[in-house]
Amino acid sequence: GQQLNQSPQSMFIQEGEDVSMNCTSSSIFNTWLWYKQDPGEGPVLLIALYKAGELTSNGRLTAQFGITRKDSFLNISASIPSDVGIYFCAYLNYGGSQGNLIFGKGTKLSVKP
Amino acid sequence: EADIYQTPRYLVIGTGKKITLECSQTMGHDKMYWYQQDPGMELHLIHYSYGVNSTEKGDLSSESTVSRIRTEHFPLTLESARPSHTSQYLCASSATGALYGYTFGSGTRLTVV
Repeated sequence: GQQLNQSPQSMFIQEGEDVSMNCTSSSIFNTWLWYKQDPGEGPVLLIALYKAGELTSNGRLTAQFGITRKDSFLNISASIPSDVGIYFCAYLNYGGSQGNLIFGKGTKLSVKP
Repeated sequence: EADIYQTPRYLVIGTGKKITLECSQTMGHDKMYWYQQDPGMELHLIHYSYGVNSTEKGDLSSESTVSRIRTEHFPLTLESARPSHTSQYLCASSATGALYGYTFGSGTRLTVV
């Protein structure tokens, strides 16, 4: 089936740094979603993107839907300790007339020791 | 307040016991899902349901079973727990089409000893 390539797999941040992660696919999609999962909790929706080229912000988070519709990136500016967690990208699969989300493998954000 | 609830949050149980993980949502969503996730790892879809009396197996084979007798309730059952079942189990729901993504519960951390 279709898969997402999410990178990096993990990264360490120092408070105040900007962070960037992305997802790519060989297929084109109409919807990209970004989720964050805090330790011990379920994922929470951060940003949803519905149009190619769309750039959307949510506080210090900015996400863009790639113009080719095959990729998306998420930026976090001026990171803070509570940004640690796992970030998942997801696309909406319309196969079989039912919308199902396909998730990437996640980018794990940790604080630099 | 519309939400999705999972109980228990944590469960430690002996090998061979039967367990049921509860999931309820108050949003009137037709679609519900169960994911299995090892710590810090990707999400694996194990069951989903498109509505009452509808259940399907997900991408990852699981020895668990589910039922959907009421729209708001989607319990997961393990007839005989084993240490290999130790994991985090996440429940989610969405409206038909899932255009606005899934809403996840906080998860059940299961440990089988």
